Amino acid sequence: QKEVEQDPGPLSVPEGAIVSLNCTYSNSAFQYFMWYRQYSRKGPELLMYTYSSGNKEDGRFTAQVDKSSKYISLFIRDSQPSDSATYLCASRGYDYKLSFGAGTTVTVRA
Amino acid sequence: DVKVTQSSRYLVKRTGEKVFLECVQDMDHENMFWYRQDPGLGLRLIYFSYDVKMKEKGDIPEGYSVSREKKERFSLILESASTNQTSMYLCASSLGGPQHFGDGTRLSIL
Repeated sequence: QKEVEQDPGPLSVPEGAIVSLNCTYSNSAFQYFMWYRQYSRKGPELLMYTYSSGNKEDGRFTAQVDKSSKYISLFIRDSQPSDSATYLCASRGYDYKLSFGAGTTVTVRA
Repeated sequence: DVKVTQSSRYLVKRTGEKVFLECVQDMDHENMFWYRQDPGLGLRLIYFSYDVKMKEKGDIPEGYSVSREKKERFSLILESASTNQTSMYLCASSLGGPQHFGDGTRLSIL
């Protein structure tokens, strides 16, 4: 069983909709949580970085972590066609090793 | 901004060849990582290094080795390339916080 599970989608939404992405994790030692965005033929780009439980907002993006249920979420408000990409969740404990979800492919239709 | 540069975007090699993939970061980061990314399997850690001349095996080190002679440079070596090593290879670096990725090398082994 993978330490981080993510529904691979694909997810298709109309422009302006809210995109909701979710991951679950199994390792109770995980303390740091990240979301990456990956465009086709490019490397993953860091979107959000959070520590422990709670919410973090950055522009149209909100990351949520619920450690009690081991649940990680990313919300994208007012989605744009330029948000079309694969989104990867990742988590780690106090060592350096990241565990990644498989990635969810999102298409925002104009 | 952190810049992680991988020397080749696309590479085609033959089975049995020794292949070198190079990665350079410009932010004086202690930690560097090599991953491979395959459809349905996500990112898997091959090797990482937390200091010059130091290396640690990741989850799938078989058939690979690494070299870190200078802090900014981390090389991945395929000792004798095989077709099952055809993949997207991603290099990342960090200072203990989030990892920052290069744009990857798409390697094909014929």
